Amino acid sequence: QSVLTQPPSASGTPGQRVTISCSGSSSNIGSNYVYWYQQLPGTAPKLLIYRNNQRPSGVPDRFSGSKSGTSASLAISGLRSEDEADYYCAAWDDSLSLVFGGGTKLTVL
Amino acid sequence: QVTLKESGPVLVKPTETLTLTCTVSGFSLSNARMGVSWIRQPPGKALEWLAHIFSNDEKSYSTSLKSRLTISKDTSKSQVVLTMTNMDPVDTATYYCALGTMIEFDYWGQGTLVTVSS
Repeated sequence: QSVLTQPPSASGTPGQRVTISCSGSSSNIGSNYVYWYQQLPGTAPKLLIYRNNQRPSGVPDRFSGSKSGTSASLAISGLRSEDEADYYCAAWDDSLSLVFGGGTKLTVL
Repeated sequence: QVTLKESGPVLVKPTETLTLTCTVSGFSLSNARMGVSWIRQPPGKALEWLAHIFSNDEKSYSTSLKSRLTISKDTSKSQVVLTMTNMDPVDTATYYCALGTMIEFDYWGQGTLVTVSS
């Protein structure tokens, strides 16, 4: 059971906008930044969003992050087939551990 | 170009100690602000952070696995080593090393699958 809660799956058709939620608590998301990682099939994770809503260089602006209270969301607009991947949220927990969500498998229909 | 590569045994027996090495190229482990974490992923499951070592040699461990883990580094060899004692089949996973600030990882290794079985 992961500390951060994500829906196990999400889906959308090309061009659609999808959102993936990440729910935590006051000891992690509520008091620290949220990060998002994208893991394409068979590859290592890649940093997608840092500090709640910042995109590393090279990440398309179709990807955006937000945070409110003890929850966060990743939004992907203009969905493309290459976005099909697993997405993980992460945050520092005040118990002195980095915690990840359980991951959301995004399917592009 | 920054690259990380994990190395170690592919198979360990229950109760044995696992030793994994992460070799970093193109980046100095003495660089301030940055460090190396070990993160694992059981087959078909989520990521789990294990440990981090900072450039100043300060260490941080997962609270749930702290008693079994030791992380160390050899800056001259650009290597970070993780040892995990008392391995169990539930520890079967792909083990990644990642370079960053302990939550913001810009570079990852390809991962190494470790199977725990007798």
